[in-house]
Amino acid sequence: GAGVSQSPRYKVAKRGQDVALRCDPISGHVSLFWYQQALGQGPEFLTYFQNEAQLDKSGLPSDRFFAERPEGSVSTLKIQRTQQEDSAVYLCASSSGLADILEQYFGPGTRLTVT
Amino acid sequence: LAKTTQPISMDSYEGQEVNITCSHNNIATNDYITWYQQFPSQGPRFIIQGYKTKVTNEVASLFIPADRKSSTLSLPRVSLSDTAVYYCLLTDSWGKLQFGAGTQVVVTP
Repeated sequence: GAGVSQSPRYKVAKRGQDVALRCDPISGHVSLFWYQQALGQGPEFLTYFQNEAQLDKSGLPSDRFFAERPEGSVSTLKIQRTQQEDSAVYLCASSSGLADILEQYFGPGTRLTVT
Repeated sequence: LAKTTQPISMDSYEGQEVNITCSHNNIATNDYITWYQQFPSQGPRFIIQGYKTKVTNEVASLFIPADRKSSTLSLPRVSLSDTAVYYCLLTDSWGKLQFGAGTQVVVTP
């Protein structure tokens, strides 16, 4: 079965450019998470969706970061006017959303480099 | 979510058992203890999860004492492919994950 996929796998952007990162979760998974992982660090929570509803965006570092999941499946993380400090791996994870099954399935990530 | 504390790194030889202890003194009643594994250039992968006592699966065992203030991940007979970063996390009912820096486990021949 297909896991979580992310595209592109690598993205190089010049400072000031806008980028869009895509996540295709496991089919039928209700919950979707975005994380940011800096080099040598653990992933940091960005935002969480349950179906199409964004229930928690407390981890988004600034208003330049925007995430959406309009139909409750595919999600896009958009970063406007990228800065060098945005360089990181962006991970997407999905889970079934059932209260007794808390396992999250992660995609391979998108490595963003801002030059 | 309460934070966890785990060693920065651990070295082991092939075939040995590796035990990684995680401290979580402020664990909440509804927190589960969850461990993830991450290889370079990959997303984290779920290993095991428990609430209390002992949990075992085909990959690892998780030991949790009665007070739940710590837990130990046990990897039996490690191989070179077990070289990875291992994260101990506390997860609540809807699954938001708060990662620390993890423990880098290096297995050598």
